[in-house]
Amino acid sequence: DIQMTQSPSSLSASVGDRLTITCRASRNLSLYLNWYQQKPGKAPNLLIYAASSLQGGVPSRFSGSGSGTNFTLTISSLQPEDFATYYCQQSYAFPRTFGLGTKVEIK
Amino acid sequence: QVHLQESGPGLVKASETLSLTCTVSGGSISDYYWSWIRQTPGKGLEWIGYVYYSGSTNYNPSLKSRLTLSADTSKNQFSLRLTSVTAADTAVYYCARIVTVRGRGNWFDPWGQGTLVTVSS
Repeated sequence: DIQMTQSPSSLSASVGDRLTITCRASRNLSLYLNWYQQKPGKAPNLLIYAASSLQGGVPSRFSGSGSGTNFTLTISSLQPEDFATYYCQQSYAFPRTFGLGTKVEIK
Repeated sequence: QVHLQESGPGLVKASETLSLTCTVSGGSISDYYWSWIRQTPGKGLEWIGYVYYSGSTNYNPSLKSRLTLSADTSKNQFSLRLTSVTAADTAVYYCARIVTVRGRGNWFDPWGQGTLVTVSS
């Protein structure tokens, strides 16, 4: 199985901060990497697909980059509604696998 | 807009079979592949498998020996059956649509709201 390693596992930030979350894969994924946001008690919600494509309806402050084994999710200016847990997920090989998540908390 | 809703027992006894159904509204299950994913505090998000309306499936090897996924086009539903459950199968179970774009991979969107299944001893 492809292992997905996210860092950090948690962080504290303030509204307006620029945030970067990293996801590292144990194998080359090309661009087959997706990002999801999950709020407490809710299902994950797709933010970014194919490493850098913004899902419709997702604010432009979210962006994704990277290829191969190293990927990043960036929030350019953190908003109150962005405090959540973020997951990366690979679609390069079966079984599909997810990172363990990065919890973004209010400082 | 496609909406997914999981249904099934919230409590299953150890060694018995867990059965869940996902009802799709706002679109036909014949148009996409469909997946089950579960979430636990300890292991995080775990992909269970996918099913196509034709009956084609792909299972996570960790669950393959106990798992059956199926689809019912007449009801616009797809289902999960997991046998010989243990406490380790206690999780929130989600169903999700798989969107595929050639050359860009695939992703899960949207997801159902999730249903908590507890395995009791």
